Amino acid sequence: DGGITQSPKYLFRKEGQNVTLSCEQNLNHDAMYWYRQDPGQGLRLIYYSQIVNDFQKGDIAEGYSVSREKKESFPLTVTSAQKNPTAFYLCASSILGGGMNTEAFFGQGTRLTVV
Amino acid sequence: AQSVTQPDIHITVSEGASLELRCNYSYGATPYLFWYVQSPGQGLQLLLKYFSGDTLVQGIKGFEAEFKRSQSSFNLRKPSVHWSDAAEYFCAVGAVGRYSTLTFGKGTMLLVSP
Repeated sequence: DGGITQSPKYLFRKEGQNVTLSCEQNLNHDAMYWYRQDPGQGLRLIYYSQIVNDFQKGDIAEGYSVSREKKESFPLTVTSAQKNPTAFYLCASSILGGGMNTEAFFGQGTRLTVV
Repeated sequence: AQSVTQPDIHITVSEGASLELRCNYSYGATPYLFWYVQSPGQGLQLLLKYFSGDTLVQGIKGFEAEFKRSQSSFNLRKPSVHWSDAAEYFCAVGAVGRYSTLTFGKGTMLLVSP
């Protein structure tokens, strides 16, 4: 079955540590996205990538980094510079033309908790 | 820049009653408009979307939404709510363009009472 796989589902991080969230898709989509979700805040865009080896900052990129070495993969690193990293993180993908205005497919999310 | 407002944080509806979730958007041209649904701890599922054509859009699970340009609204409706509809609902707007991303509202949590 085609889809987006995020792992792990739950992740705990100690303060001061970097942590990487995985996002893999087998939909042959060119574009991939990372959103952060906080209660009562909706979804906010962190980073997005239209093609391999290229990505753009979203609205809340500070304290995060990404890479896009393969079309199928778009990992997100939450660095120690992110002061409030506890949140639910969602990865999405879409075909390139029209971006997310075509149907965007979402993963099941990773819940990150700082302990 | 585009924006979305969902005025209701929580709504409680009796099972079998009708539902309307409100969404207002801000965008300079005709936008792409979406409704997504999210069950607790899960990803988002697309219910329906609108760009052009008929202003009444039919979606999955018996939902529909009506685009009203004069009111900058895209309200979601369902004639008879089922207990399984309890979830969080997000309205989103996308700008026209090749590399569009979505801007989401803050969501409306739907509670269904027996």
